[in-house]
Amino acid sequence: ETGVTQTPRHLVMGMTNKKSLKCEQHLGHNAMYWYKQSAKKPLELMFVYSLEERVENNSVPSRFSPECPNSSHLFLHLHTLQPEDSALYLCASSQSSGRAWEQYFGPGTRLTVT
Amino acid sequence: AQSVTQPDIHITVSEGASLELRCNYSYGATPYLFWYVQSPGQGLQLLLKYFSGDTLVQGIKGFEAEFKRSQSSFNLRKPSVHWSDAAEYFCAVAWNSGNTPLVFGKGTRLSVIA
Repeated sequence: ETGVTQTPRHLVMGMTNKKSLKCEQHLGHNAMYWYKQSAKKPLELMFVYSLEERVENNSVPSRFSPECPNSSHLFLHLHTLQPEDSALYLCASSQSSGRAWEQYFGPGTRLTVT
Repeated sequence: AQSVTQPDIHITVSEGASLELRCNYSYGATPYLFWYVQSPGQGLQLLLKYFSGDTLVQGIKGFEAEFKRSQSSFNLRKPSVHWSDAAEYFCAVAWNSGNTPLVFGKGTRLSVIA
């Protein structure tokens, strides 16, 4: 497996469910990111982890809870979501310093909240 | 606030025709500039980037982009479009160095007709 992988690719969940999105990077990077991509909106940065420490949290509701157990894995735990949370959730990775902005993206998880 | 503008939401070109996608950014410190492409159902793939030096940069898939500081622009070009270029194109900018997050434009959807 190469690059950045995300599972599942598609997820349908009710508002009372709890689910998790998984991201894994095979690039030896030290920083990982969660983005939300909604129709007709720019990509929204949600969370940034560098060397497994959260360095940014862009005012994301607490119903989204990230976890970064090591530099290769990133999770996004979901609970009591709202229909407006339906979107494509993208994971990305980069080196943590110098060229931190040169990000490599996974294919995304298409989330539908019913 | 720092922002990135892609004025064209949707562009349609004929196969074999030339292409130019526009990107403008708000004034700030030295920008680091990127173009990403997103095919349907996929994540974002880096096409090219500009950090410094020659203002005309070459990327993958025959794309190039030119940084014009006086116009705060970083337009993407391709001399001859192929049907497989149909996708969504995102311009992104990071200001300053370090772990400054990328700011993305809203994207331009490219359709290619025979």
